[in-house]
Amino acid sequence: AQKVTQAQTEISVVEKEDVTLDCVYETRDTTYYLFWYKQPPSGELVFLIRRNSFDEQNEISGRYSWNFQKSTSSFNFTITASQVVDSAVYFCALVGRGYGNKLVFGAGTILRVKS
Amino acid sequence: DTGVSQNPRHKITKRGQNVTFRCDPISEHNRLYWYRQTLGQGPEFLTYFQNEAQLEKSRLLSDRFSAERPKGSFSTLEIQRTEQGDSAMYLCASSSLRDSSYEQYFGPGTRLTVT
Repeated sequence: AQKVTQAQTEISVVEKEDVTLDCVYETRDTTYYLFWYKQPPSGELVFLIRRNSFDEQNEISGRYSWNFQKSTSSFNFTITASQVVDSAVYFCALVGRGYGNKLVFGAGTILRVKS
Repeated sequence: DTGVSQNPRHKITKRGQNVTFRCDPISEHNRLYWYRQTLGQGPEFLTYFQNEAQLEKSRLLSDRFSAERPKGSFSTLEIQRTEQGDSAMYLCASSSLRDSSYEQYFGPGTRLTVT
C-alpha cells in the first residue's frame, strides 16, 4: 500500500519567518514520484514540484526549497521569508508505477502567514 | 491552450436528487482522473480513464456513482440519489501517456452541497 503522512495539521507564522512543512511517505515501489501542491482558498490545486525516486538532489526555486531523503522516506518543503500570499493548504502526494496512476495525497498542512 | 475545465463550479442539490458533473481535460491528454476532497482532507482517488476505457475504480465509488468518457475526450461523473455524505469537492485531472512522470493537471473542481 502507499501512504503519505503530513503530521502538521496547521502552522502559523509571522511574515518573513522561515517555515518547513513535513512529508513522510510509504511505498513498496522502487520507482515513484513525489509532488507538492498548493491549494489557495479558491480551491484549485497548483503544482509546485515533482521529484522522482532516483533523484535525491535538493531543489531550490526562489523562496521555495525541497529536501528529499530516501533513507527517512521524507520529502520536506521549506518556504524562506514567508509572505501572506503563501497562506494556503499544502499537499504532499505520491504516485508509484506499481499502483497504477493514482495520486495518493496526504491530509494537507494549513499554513497561515500573518503580517 | 486552456487547462482542465470543470462545470458547474458549484452545485447545491437536495438529498435524493441526481447530479452530473462535466470535466474537459487538456486536449490530447489521454488520461483523465476523478478525485473527491472532503473538508480538511486531501483529495482521494475515485476513478481513471485511459482514452475511453475506465481502467480503475476506487472502493469509494459506490453503485450510486458512475463515470463515463464516451469519446475519449470529456468525462461526466453522475451521482444518483445523492446523500449528505456526498457533499465534497470533486476534482478532475488529466495527464499525457507520454509523460512518464505521471504529472496530473487539475481543474478548479466542482463543489457539491447536498442539503
